[in-house]
Amino acid sequence: NAGVTQTPKFRILKIGQSMTLQCTQDMNHNYMYWYRQDPGMGLKLIYYSVGAGITDKGEVPNGYNVSRSTTEDFPLRLELAAPSQTSVYFCASSYGQGGEKLFFGSGTQLSVL
Amino acid sequence: AQKITQTQPGMFVQEKEAVTLDCTYDTSDPSYGLFWYKQPSSGEMIFLIYQGSYDQQNATEGRYSLNFQKARKSANLVISASQLGDSAMYFCAMREGVQGAQKLVFGQGTRLTINP
Repeated sequence: NAGVTQTPKFRILKIGQSMTLQCTQDMNHNYMYWYRQDPGMGLKLIYYSVGAGITDKGEVPNGYNVSRSTTEDFPLRLELAAPSQTSVYFCASSYGQGGEKLFFGSGTQLSVL
Repeated sequence: AQKITQTQPGMFVQEKEAVTLDCTYDTSDPSYGLFWYKQPSSGEMIFLIYQGSYDQQNATEGRYSLNFQKARKSANLVISASQLGDSAMYFCAMREGVQGAQKLVFGQGTRLTINP
């Protein structure tokens, strides 16, 4: 029972490098999300998707891109990494109905040096 | 714009005591949902409890209950009979509307430490 799987778990980038954080879920959820958590803070929504082919910006989208070509996968792309993007990134998914919980991945700790 | 405020950066409680973690919120949407999540030192996010704005009764889930006071815009988490394993960060979160994407806004969190 995999749930939401994120890779990698840790990554160090140099300023200006690019990378893709992978996220996949096996629960057939329509809704998927990317959040970031800065040290000592709560999570902030970067992007979300309501289904394959449909994505939208959250609270802090600058410096990131997403795509949703399948129901299962929702990768997050960082272009031209900056130190301000040092954070823990969480992918999550949900059915999107009422008050059901988000299913979170285990997170990716990213440092940009 | 919706906003969540957690005013207690840290709390220390003796094992087996009850503890209340404070959360206040602000929204102009009459339909919203309130959540509490636990984040242990291992880092994963664990859902604890949910309260809808139109729910008549306070939500309960085992040792967790949500003290929902709509007029005061507060949604405090109560943990009864605390255990050492309750030591963690606790986040209050809110969504506007009750359908569609779970675009949650999180508070800054409260670090709870349970002392033996």
